[in-house]
Amino acid sequence: SAVISQKPSRDICQRGTSLTIQCQVDSQVTMMFWYRQQPGQSLTLIATANQGSEATYESGFVIDKFPISRPNLTFSTLTVSNMSPEDSSIYLCSVKRGGPETQYFGPGTRLLVL
Amino acid sequence: AQTVTQSQPEMSVQEAETVTLSCTYDTSESDYYLFWYKQPPSRQMILVIRQEAYKQQNATENRFSVNFQKAAKSFSLKISDSQLGDAAMYFCAYRRGNAGNMLTFGGGTRLMVKP
Repeated sequence: SAVISQKPSRDICQRGTSLTIQCQVDSQVTMMFWYRQQPGQSLTLIATANQGSEATYESGFVIDKFPISRPNLTFSTLTVSNMSPEDSSIYLCSVKRGGPETQYFGPGTRLLVL
Repeated sequence: AQTVTQSQPEMSVQEAETVTLSCTYDTSESDYYLFWYKQPPSRQMILVIRQEAYKQQNATENRFSVNFQKAAKSFSLKISDSQLGDAAMYFCAYRRGNAGNMLTFGGGTRLMVKP
C-alpha cells in the first residue's frame, strides 16, 4: 500500500480566492493523480502529474484553473484558482503502486466555497 | 470511452448476512483491471478488492469476493457476514491495462448495515 497525506484536510474559502492543496507520499512514485469528488457524486480525474514535465489534464479541466506542481517524486500540489461555489468538492490525491499497479488515495481535502 | 454503471444507489443488509453489489462496465479493451473501493463517512477511499481481466478466477479478500463475468462485462461484489463497519459508499472502478492510468468510477452504491 501507500501512505498518503494531504493538507489541508478541509477549508472554507471565499469566492474569487485560490487554495493550494498539498499531497505527500511516503516513497517515490512516478505519477501522481488528482481527482475531484463533487457532493454526492463519484470521482473524476482532473489531471496526472509527472515529475519533471507538465501535468496532463483531462477533458473539462484546464491548467489556468487547476495549476499543478510536481517538484519531486514524493510531493505534488494542486491549486484551485479563482474559486466559485461550484468548486466545492473533495479533492483527492492518488498514486499508483504495487502489482498489478493499484491506485491508492489520500484522505482528501474537503473544500467549501462561499 | 469506458463507462462503469452501478445500478443500485442504495442497498441495506442485516448484520451477519450476505449482500451483493452490482457493477457493469463497457469497454472494447481486452486488457484491463477492475476494482472495488469503499468510502466510509471519513471520506478515505479504501481499496477493497481488485481483479485482473486476464484471470478467470474470481478474486477473494477475506469476507469480500467478486463474481467476474467477462463476457457479460459484469463485476459484482459479495460481502459475507456483514459487519456494522462495512457501512459505506462502494465504488466500482475500471482501469485500462498496460499504460492505462485513469480510473473510471461508477456512481457508487450506499450500503447500510442494520444491527
